[in-house]
Amino acid sequence: QKEVEQNSGPLSVPEGAIASLNCTYSDRGSQSFFWYRQYSGKSPELIMSIYSNGDKEDGRFTAQLNKASQYVSLLIRDSQPSDSATYLCASRRGSTLGRLYFGRGTQLTVWP
Amino acid sequence: ETGVTQTPRHLVMGMTNKKSLKCEQHLGHNAMYWYKQSAKKPLELMFVYNFKEQTENNSVPSRFSPECPNSSHLFLHLHTLQPEDSALYLCASSQGGAAYSNQPQHFGDGTRLSIL
Repeated sequence: QKEVEQNSGPLSVPEGAIASLNCTYSDRGSQSFFWYRQYSGKSPELIMSIYSNGDKEDGRFTAQLNKASQYVSLLIRDSQPSDSATYLCASRRGSTLGRLYFGRGTQLTVWP
Repeated sequence: ETGVTQTPRHLVMGMTNKKSLKCEQHLGHNAMYWYKQSAKKPLELMFVYNFKEQTENNSVPSRFSPECPNSSHLFLHLHTLQPEDSALYLCASSQGGAAYSNQPQHFGDGTRLSIL
């Protein structure tokens, strides 16, 4: 049973466009959601966390959570070539420490 | 030095060797984790330590043996590994305790392990 699913991509957008990354999760007990960015050969880097339904904005990044639909998304506005990376969606159940479920990641390429 | 540091960055070993991976965090966290990242697969949680106590073993084969001497250090001892164990091994840390269960995890740069 796959806990977290993402479109593997690759997703390719031109510089300046909005990149939209999507994620669905199967466990209705999930309460915390995270987006990590991973450059090739590097470790995952946390870029957004979201816990409540709705939107959360941080600079060019907006995370959206819809618990009824079990759906999380990440929007990247004004995409830059430096945003080219693999984006990992992760969910965590209730208060269970450590049990992060990751998707396979979506590879994003932003071309100049 | 800040963040989560892993050594070595790369490791090549034979199936009969014994080696150890090291992780050190300078974030004041109390929970530490080992993950395995294989090509085309999601990150897999291996072990969780909370305040030096192992709280989770995700059905990991006994050829992987973790050790957590204190909240800042985490080791993964390796012996008689198999070719399918070749992967990127990532260490992460976060605030420990149930009150901080929603806190994100911060990752080290990983050890790229190749088994000959």
